[in-house]
Amino acid sequence: EAGVAQSPRYKIIEKRQSVAFWCNPISGHATLYWYQQILGQGPKLLIQFQNNGVVDDSQLPKDRFSAERLKGVDSTLKIQPAKLEDSAVYLCASTAHIRLASGNEQFFGPGTRLTVL
Amino acid sequence: AQKVTQAQTEISVVEKEDVTLDCVYETRDTTYYLFWYKQPPSGELVFLIRRNSFDEQNEISGRYSWNFQKSTSSFNFTITASQVVDSAVYFCALSEARITGGGNKLTFGTGTQLKVEL
Repeated sequence: EAGVAQSPRYKIIEKRQSVAFWCNPISGHATLYWYQQILGQGPKLLIQFQNNGVVDDSQLPKDRFSAERLKGVDSTLKIQPAKLEDSAVYLCASTAHIRLASGNEQFFGPGTRLTVL
Repeated sequence: AQKVTQAQTEISVVEKEDVTLDCVYETRDTTYYLFWYKQPPSGELVFLIRRNSFDEQNEISGRYSWNFQKSTSSFNFTITASQVVDSAVYFCALSEARITGGGNKLTFGTGTQLKVEL
């Protein structure tokens, strides 16, 4: 079974530029997550999709970050304009639809390491 | 609000030593799930274990074992006879249990860097 795919793996941009990340979840997984992991910290959820709808975007800085999952499969996360503090690894994860009384195991992609200069 | 604390920032051991990684959590939910993930230098988070709040049985899987104690809100992880390949950052995480669909967000601790040396 193919895992979660992300691209690019690395990106270096200057502040105020724009950048986009792509994620392809595991086939059949309805729920997709984007996390931001700043160096030395644990991942922090930015946005969660259920199929093509947003379930939770409470921690997404909406003035500069946007995300979409138009067909309920692939997703893109965009930053415009980028700031120095956006330097981090952006992780995509997916999970199958939650079963009754069952916790969800999230499968993570390799991440995109963003450096903002 | 949910919170996970991993007080150990970095641990160094010599190969074949046993090592325990501590995790303390806070939640107001009565039903929740606890997880451990491993993050090797490649960066990808690898799922290790999931435990729900109603199951306090300890679990052993090969060299790995987990001790869940609800009374102290702890979910500690022990590696027996550590190996160099165990070197990684280990994250403890917490999620609420919600019956409605969607899957629930993980609240991660800050991680413990484990270094196993020869």
